[in-house]
Amino acid sequence: QKEVEQNSGPLSVPEGAIASLNCTYSDRGSQSFFWYRQYSGKSPELIMSIYSNGDKEDGRFTAQLNKASQYVSLLIRDSQPSDSATYLCAVLYSSASKIIFGSGTRLSIRP
Amino acid sequence: ETGVTQSPTHLIKTRGQQVTLRCSSQSGHNTVSWYQQALGQGPQFIFQYYREEENGRGNFPPRFSGLQFPNYSSELNVNALELDDSALYLCASSVDGSNQPQHFGDGTRLSIL
Repeated sequence: QKEVEQNSGPLSVPEGAIASLNCTYSDRGSQSFFWYRQYSGKSPELIMSIYSNGDKEDGRFTAQLNKASQYVSLLIRDSQPSDSATYLCAVLYSSASKIIFGSGTRLSIRP
Repeated sequence: ETGVTQSPTHLIKTRGQQVTLRCSSQSGHNTVSWYQQALGQGPQFIFQYYREEENGRGNFPPRFSGLQFPNYSSELNVNALELDDSALYLCASSVDGSNQPQHFGDGTRLSIL
């Protein structure tokens, strides 16, 4: 089992719809979770951090965390073409004290 | 406040050569972490430097080494370059040996011919 697992996509969503990105992780002791956005040829940009079970909202973005299910998701409301990018899920592994990244999900917003 | 800066932006080397990549940490940050991102993959943790010493290492061979200087800037050195070393190398800075969150520089794209 991969330490942090994401569907590679591509995920195609119409403009204005909700994009839902999912991530599972294997370390039950993990406490810190991050979502990054990466445009082609650029470095990853941190867009959300979440540390507690439940939802955390920031503008059009909502991160959801369920530690019992070892599952974290990112919802993007009112998707825009500029949201087209690869989204990376990252988990701070308590056992190794390092951040583990998933391979990313490629999101495409179609006009 | 300046962010993380990396140099050079791009680099082309041949197999067997050695390379040095540089990173200046964000103002006020005393910890630097290095990552390797191969095409189509997420970043992989190489190592972290804090107080001028290695403070955690990922699954990378000893030919990947680093330094941190008193001004908190850092170097990543890779010896005996292999084709698989072709990747985007990312640097992130933080405070007091922590890993969260990681704000990356623009990266150095290394191509091995």
